Amino acid sequence: DQQVKQNSPSLSVQEGRISILNCDYTNSMFDYFLWYKKYPAEGPTFLISISSIKDKNEDGRFTVFLNKSAKHLSLHIVPSQPGDSAVYFCAAQPARSGTYKYIFGTGTRLKVLA
Amino acid sequence: NAGVMQNPRHLVRRRGQEARLRCSPMKGHSHVYWYRQLPEEGLKFMVYLQKENIIDESGMPKERFSAEFPKEGPSILRIQQVVRGDSAAYFCASSPGLESYEQYFGPGTRLTVT
Repeated sequence: DQQVKQNSPSLSVQEGRISILNCDYTNSMFDYFLWYKKYPAEGPTFLISISSIKDKNEDGRFTVFLNKSAKHLSLHIVPSQPGDSAVYFCAAQPARSGTYKYIFGTGTRLKVLA
Repeated sequence: NAGVMQNPRHLVRRRGQEARLRCSPMKGHSHVYWYRQLPEEGLKFMVYLQKENIIDESGMPKERFSAEFPKEGPSILRIQQVVRGDSAAYFCASSPGLESYEQYFGPGTRLTVT
């Protein structure tokens, strides 16, 4: 039972254009969402997060949008750079439940073409 | 300011042997999480520990797997009588406590069972 889904396993984008990565979830108990970036043979690195009381959060080139009614979030990267090429995981956290574990999606491999 | 440390980075075990994976959280962090990533999959939560306490072990297989986070020293994930299906990347993450939702990941231990 995949509670967090990233339906696009891969995405290719030209340098300088916008990258949009999508994530859907099924559990309305999730109240905190995060995006992590992962390079091969390394651990995931935190990128940006959003609380369920917000619908948008920005940090430099990265913006996360949350649509609670659709149970959907997206990560926008603009402009995309070759160094952004990595696997991106979205994660959800049922923080109010007393456990702080993450439920991860299966990841989207982003390739930014120079 | 060292990040999360994991050792060994690579571990090869024959079927039936024991595997011990170590995780030293970031300085000042008292919460530790273990995740497993099977090939071509996302990270799956295994266990959440605080010092000397297991808080949530809902992702741990019922047999052969155990985890601890003693008062002194690193957190240990122990896998007894390893089988080929245990081959995966095991990631440890830490956080300072309930006031922070972000988890900081180590580089992972790649376990290969031959």
